[in-house]
Amino acid sequence: AQSVTQPDIHITVSEGASLELRCNYSYGATPYLFWYVQSPGQGLQLLLKYFSGDTLVQGIKGFEAEFKRSQSSFNLRKPSVHWSDAAEYFCAVIGSSNTGKLIFGQGTTLQVKP
Amino acid sequence: SAVISQKPSRDICQRGTSLTIQCQVDSQVTMMFWYRQQPGQSLTLIATANQGSEATYESGFVIDKFPISRPNLTFSTLTVSNMSPEDSSIYLCSVVGGQGYGYTFGSGTRLTVV
Repeated sequence: AQSVTQPDIHITVSEGASLELRCNYSYGATPYLFWYVQSPGQGLQLLLKYFSGDTLVQGIKGFEAEFKRSQSSFNLRKPSVHWSDAAEYFCAVIGSSNTGKLIFGQGTTLQVKP
Repeated sequence: SAVISQKPSRDICQRGTSLTIQCQVDSQVTMMFWYRQQPGQSLTLIATANQGSEATYESGFVIDKFPISRPNLTFSTLTVSNMSPEDSSIYLCSVVGGQGYGYTFGSGTRLTVV
């Protein structure tokens, strides 16, 4: 069965520092991968997605992610974190290209220190 | 990507009652989904809302508890029936756009059952 693992439940970084959030997936075929952000009391906003092509994907708010098939990973990165980036981050994979159903990881809570 | 209007944004309900949540999209979409996010948890798919036919439910979710309607390609409702405190969650509508690559979420309905 398809699954997504976000190994880090909680991460704290200083403002201005670089960030990497880890995501590992389990899926037999070529995955469709997503990163979402959820601010407190808000819905989900799509940061970026990977379907095919260039394995380095650029998203909104200065985020990028790199798809590494050999490692079954899709880690999210940002070179310099801002205080407003504090939120919950979810990695997701489409369980089946025919159904379009998203399977989510457990989420990583990002705290930003001033 | 599609713009979703989800109502109500929040509600506090008495146990044993029912609440209907509406999801209105500003364009026709091929797929619509309903997710539940329990407090401090990730998102779990409840069902796929099928236009003109019965919804397709995931394991652990049944139509009697979560009846869903989708009368056209831009609108769906989810009803949470005979509520108990365990139903206190955020319920989110999600759609896939006409080109198939826009997985957009509504702002969610924060439900508290007392």
